[in-house]
Amino acid sequence: EVQLLESGGGLVQPGGSLRLSCAASGFSFSSSAMSWVRQAPGKGLEWVSGISGSGGTTYYAESVKGRFTISRDNSKNTLYLQMSSLRAEDTAVYYCAKATMTTVVKTLDYWGQGTLVPVSS
Amino acid sequence: QSALTQPPSASGSPGQSVTISCTGTSGDVGGYNYVSWYQQHPGKGPKLMIYEVTKRPSGVPDRFFGSKSGTTASLTVSELQTEDEADYYCSSYAGSGHVVFGGGTKLTVL
Repeated sequence: EVQLLESGGGLVQPGGSLRLSCAASGFSFSSSAMSWVRQAPGKGLEWVSGISGSGGTTYYAESVKGRFTISRDNSKNTLYLQMSSLRAEDTAVYYCAKATMTTVVKTLDYWGQGTLVPVSS
Repeated sequence: QSALTQPPSASGSPGQSVTISCTGTSGDVGGYNYVSWYQQHPGKGPKLMIYEVTKRPSGVPDRFFGSKSGTTASLTVSELQTEDEADYYCSSYAGSGHVVFGGGTKLTVL
């Protein structure tokens, strides 16, 4: 059974930093591209970032480029999202999701339950 | 990339059919056959219902049907059941490793 468990969320001040983690199990982690998708309170889904199975290629939405860094540790079956220079508009539930392909995210077939990141002073 | 356009709401009675549209551009929906549909119940993570425009993952009822014409994709749910009441989001591959989502449609089963 595929399981994705996000952690690391919590209240952070504007301008601050936070690192999210996603522990994966039940599938060949290194064979799957992965992604982070966020959902602001009461709003829709927004794709944030993607990473290839090897970790060698990364992709970012314009709204987070230069502030967020996606990475993975295939030896630990864990996906990360390092967030810095956080703004109020980054407040959201952040979901970790598994892609169906190895090199790029086109379809996300499994999602975690999300971790909430409120950005507020 | 701009978000794909979905109607904010849709509704139908049990047993009826409802169709939700998802309009994009030639740079996303119209340019790739990688349109997906996700179902999200309150407080839960999204669930994949349709991928690559028309394909259903194992376990998804065949009451869910996906299609595409030009820059508009559609999700049809037939024989509506109360458990189908949820938010539905479309997404499309948009090139260069990017994905774009629709704004979401709240489906109400009357």
